[in-house]
Amino acid sequence: GNSVTQMEGPVTLSEEAFLTINCTYTATGYPSLFWYVQYPGEGLQLLLKATKADDKGSNKGFEATYRKETTSFHLEKGSVQVSDSAVYFCALRESGGYQKVTFGTGTKLQVIP
Amino acid sequence: DAGVTQSPTHLIKTRGQQVTLRCSPKSGHDTVSWYQQALGQGPQFIFQYYEEEERQRGNFPDRFSGHQFPNYSSELNVNALLLGDSALYLCASSSRQTHLGETQYFGPGTRLLVL
Repeated sequence: GNSVTQMEGPVTLSEEAFLTINCTYTATGYPSLFWYVQYPGEGLQLLLKATKADDKGSNKGFEATYRKETTSFHLEKGSVQVSDSAVYFCALRESGGYQKVTFGTGTKLQVIP
Repeated sequence: DAGVTQSPTHLIKTRGQQVTLRCSPKSGHDTVSWYQQALGQGPQFIFQYYEEEERQRGNFPDRFSGHQFPNYSSELNVNALLLGDSALYLCASSSRQTHLGETQYFGPGTRLLVL
């Protein structure tokens, strides 16, 4: 079956530091890939997505590139802010079928001033 | 344009009881998926409804059942509640009519506590 593996957290960074959260996946076919963010006490918000190999998703300074050769979709941001503190989930949606989404376990990011 | 809405926001039940959670999809969406998110974990897929039928199901027992109405809204029912059912239940909506590029949008969730 499909699976998503994320780096374990928590990740603690100083403000303006560079962020990388690793994500690799296992899937058949050609899944779409997503990063969702969850702020404390809230539901999930879509951060960015990529639907085919070599696509780069970007939003709010975050970006991730769909690498089929390494089955990866690492999240990066050049300069994090305190407001980026949240839990980040990597996810894939299988191709075809009824769009079931498989999530990773999440990586908690804490940015300190 | 209203996003995905869920009710209630919080719920406390005791073991053995039954619970019904509700979800209204984003305008223009026809597909509803339900997820269970235990504390500190990623969401786990429960099932998905389209055209008022369950189309796909995750690894959850029959105690978990659902329904989709003609207006695309949906209910999640859980019978014979266990302590382990305590979690955040998330509803997500999407549209099959826009082919496979459509994204799932999530509601704020219902937090269920089973005592």
